[in-house]
Amino acid sequence: DAGVTQSPTHLIKTRGQHVTLRCSPISGHKSVSWYQQVLGQGPQFIFQYYEKEERGRGNFPDRFSARQFPNYSSELNVNALLLGDSALYLCASTGRGATSYEQYFGPGTRLTVT
Amino acid sequence: AQKITQTQPGMFVQEKEAVTLDCTYDTSDPSYGLFWYKQPSSGEMIFLIYQGSYDQQNATEGRYSLNFQKARKSANLVISASQLGDSAMYFCAMREGSWNQGGKLIFGQGTELSVKP
Repeated sequence: DAGVTQSPTHLIKTRGQHVTLRCSPISGHKSVSWYQQVLGQGPQFIFQYYEKEERGRGNFPDRFSARQFPNYSSELNVNALLLGDSALYLCASTGRGATSYEQYFGPGTRLTVT
Repeated sequence: AQKITQTQPGMFVQEKEAVTLDCTYDTSDPSYGLFWYKQPSSGEMIFLIYQGSYDQQNATEGRYSLNFQKARKSANLVISASQLGDSAMYFCAMREGSWNQGGKLIFGQGTELSVKP
């Protein structure tokens, strides 16, 4: 079975630009979450979508937005990029594992803002 | 307040030996889940093991086991028979909330494990 996929793998943008990151969850998973991981830190929660509705939002500015499509794939949009937005952006889908619901991560999109 | 604490920024272990990575957590919710992930230099977060707060037995997955001490609020990861491929960053995480209602993982700062040949 295919795991969580993300595109693009790497991205370089300049300050003030806009970026769109994409994610496809594991087949059958209806929940997608987005995390930001800056160098040297653990991931920080940005959004959670379940059944195409935003169910949770982390402490991020309104420049960050997301949506989930009918096929459960998702996009993360970031407007007016700042240097501090440079990070690894991880998408995770949630589904039933062996004993409980588990969250599986994609390979991430590494965003560099110059 | 930090909810997940990993006090070991870096650890070294000799190949074939066992190693314990520490994790303590803080929550007032009686229902929670604890996870360990491995993150190689490539960046992907690889799920290793899960422990539910109501699980009576410590979780095990192959060479990975979770030493769950609920009263002490600790969930240490034990890796037996270390291999060179185990060298990576390891993150402890706690689920906060339910997955269909904005549930999220809260991560610790990570422990970088280096396995020596």
